[in-house]
Amino acid sequence: KQEVTQIPAALSVPEGENLVLNCSFTDSAIYNLQWFRQDPGKGLTSLLLIQSSQREQTSGRLNASLDKSSGRSTLYIAASQPGDSATYLCAAITQGGSEKLVFGKGTKLTVNP
Amino acid sequence: EAQVTQNPRYLITVTGKKLTVTCSQNMNHEYMSWYRQDPGLGLRQIYYSMNVEVTDKGDVPEGYKVSRKEKRNFPLILESPSPNQTSLYFCASSPGQVSKGRRQPQHFGDGTRLSIL
Repeated sequence: KQEVTQIPAALSVPEGENLVLNCSFTDSAIYNLQWFRQDPGKGLTSLLLIQSSQREQTSGRLNASLDKSSGRSTLYIAASQPGDSATYLCAAITQGGSEKLVFGKGTKLTVNP
Repeated sequence: EAQVTQNPRYLITVTGKKLTVTCSQNMNHEYMSWYRQDPGLGLRQIYYSMNVEVTDKGDVPEGYKVSRKEKRNFPLILESPSPNQTSLYFCASSPGQVSKGRRQPQHFGDGTRLSIL
């Protein structure tokens, strides 16, 4: 059974800092890994999707990497801004035909001005 | 605009009073699913549907029903709601097809906050 863990649960950084959010998964037989952002009272916004055959994906100041052999993914945020404050969730789809996303519990990021 | 729309966004109701949360997507996606999000437990899948008239249980299906009569709609039904179903609910959709060996991202609605007293 796939389990996804995100550490730390909360992170506070000053504006402008580069930071890395971590995601680990127990079953390396994944189809892909998706990173989301959740703002309070809002839905989930998809940030990046990494296919199992890929090592990384980039969008603007965000870069997500995937290392299946070690069961890890990281989300790198460059030059953080207060508007980046949110909860970041990673989720994995495990091979087997279902599209079910198995979510981590998230990292709550606060970027202080 | 491509979107997943849930209604209502907020609902306070009482134990035992049947309710339906609607979900509609305008992207012609085949796959749709429901998740609930609870503090300390994260998001867990309730039910999913791979296509019209094809539904299956997720990890926490007890107390819920779904139907998929049309491709765009996937309502979540609570026949006899109980307080332990108080939660934040999300509907999601995706093309569900593997294109050139790749899956597409899943899109989520804005959520429905249910409070059952």
